[in-house]
Amino acid sequence: DAGVTQSPTHLIKTRGQQVTLRCSPKSGHDTVSWYQQALGQGPQFIFQYYEEEERQRGNFPDRFSGHQFPNYSSELNVNALLLGDSALYLCASSVAKNIQYFGAGTRLSVL
Amino acid sequence: EDKVVQSPLSLVVHEGDTVTLNCSYEVTNFRSLLWYKQEKKAPTFLFMLTSSGIEKKSGRLSSILDKKELFSILNITATQTGDSAVYLCAVVLDTGANSKLTFGKGITLSVRP
Repeated sequence: DAGVTQSPTHLIKTRGQQVTLRCSPKSGHDTVSWYQQALGQGPQFIFQYYEEEERQRGNFPDRFSGHQFPNYSSELNVNALLLGDSALYLCASSVAKNIQYFGAGTRLSVL
Repeated sequence: EDKVVQSPLSLVVHEGDTVTLNCSYEVTNFRSLLWYKQEKKAPTFLFMLTSSGIEKKSGRLSSILDKKELFSILNITATQTGDSAVYLCAVVLDTGANSKLTFGKGITLSVRP
């Protein structure tokens, strides 16, 4: 049984560009949450998707948007990249409000 | 504002030592507290605690929650080099239909041979 998978593993972009990160949840999971983890910090909640809708959002600007597909996979889009967006982006999946299981993340570097 | 504070932020011990990692919280709508171990990238789930005073145990690791004093501890006995990692504490906030995790900064544990 595959766990949570994220792609790509690493990404290098320049300021102003746009990026799309992808996440496939664990089999049987219907809820996907995205987190941003800066170096030396704990993960910060970006948003959560359930039934293809954004159910809750953290304190992130509108440049951060997402989508959930009918197969429960999800994308995170970030527009107009800033240097400060450099971080590890983690996706977590769960069955509704149960334990969240994390993927290995996408390391985004903005130059 | 919801807050989760972990201490100490880093710790260096020798193999065989016992360590205690602390997590305190000030949040609204508390549902449960989770501990994760993060070795390189993916945080891996260790424990979920919802009730005060009930110890969860898995091998050399154990954890307990005190909902009155708003803290949890994670104990690791007979530490091994493979225990070296960042240990993350997260509080689950029950906000209706959703559940988001609010994390502390993490505790970096280094176990020396």
